[in-house]
Amino acid sequence: EVQLVEFGGGLVQPGRSLRLSCAASGFTFDDYAMHWVRQAPGRGLEWVSGVSWNSGSIDYADSVKGRFTISRDNAKNSLYLQMNSLRAEDTALYYCAKDSYSSSWFYFDYWGRGTLVTVSS
Amino acid sequence: QLVLTQSPSASASLGASVKLTCTLSSGHSSYAIAWHQQQPEKGPRYLMNLNSDGSHRKGDGIPDRFSGSSSGAERYLTISSLQSEDEADYYCQTWGTGIPVFGGGTKLTVL
Repeated sequence: EVQLVEFGGGLVQPGRSLRLSCAASGFTFDDYAMHWVRQAPGRGLEWVSGVSWNSGSIDYADSVKGRFTISRDNAKNSLYLQMNSLRAEDTALYYCAKDSYSSSWFYFDYWGRGTLVTVSS
Repeated sequence: QLVLTQSPSASASLGASVKLTCTLSSGHSSYAIAWHQQQPEKGPRYLMNLNSDGSHRKGDGIPDRFSGSSSGAERYLTISSLQSEDEADYYCQTWGTGIPVFGGGTKLTVL
């Protein structure tokens, strides 16, 4: 059974940093691209960032480019999101999602349950 | 610019059928999409991917009540024999221009 478990969320002040993690199991992690998708309170889904199976391809949404960094550790079956210079508008539930392909972006076929990030003073 | 347009809300009675629509923006009518379901207070769940010819492939454990179809730039999700647990938000997603894009979602109410 595929499982994606996010953790690392919390309350953080504007301008500070936070690192999210996603632990994956139930599939061959290094065969697939992975993504972070967020959902602000009462809003829809917004893609944040994606990384290919070998970290050779990485993309970011314009809203986080230059502030967030995605990475993965295939030996640990883990995905990460380093979030710097956080803003109030980054407040959201952050989901880890598995891509259906390895080296470019297709559809997401499994999702985690999310971890909440709240940016507030 | 690639945009997916969904109606904000839909409703149908228990046991009935409902057809949700996702419309691809001009110039992108051949793109495939995926449908995702998000029940209240839960993470999204992949339902199926849907090609421009209407062929689709469902995710693990998705009931036969869920089906997809296409016509031009429109992609449809049909849910038959509606059950209370189908009350959820439904999002379409595409990837045709290289960056994943989501529609705004449709909130389905089961009456």
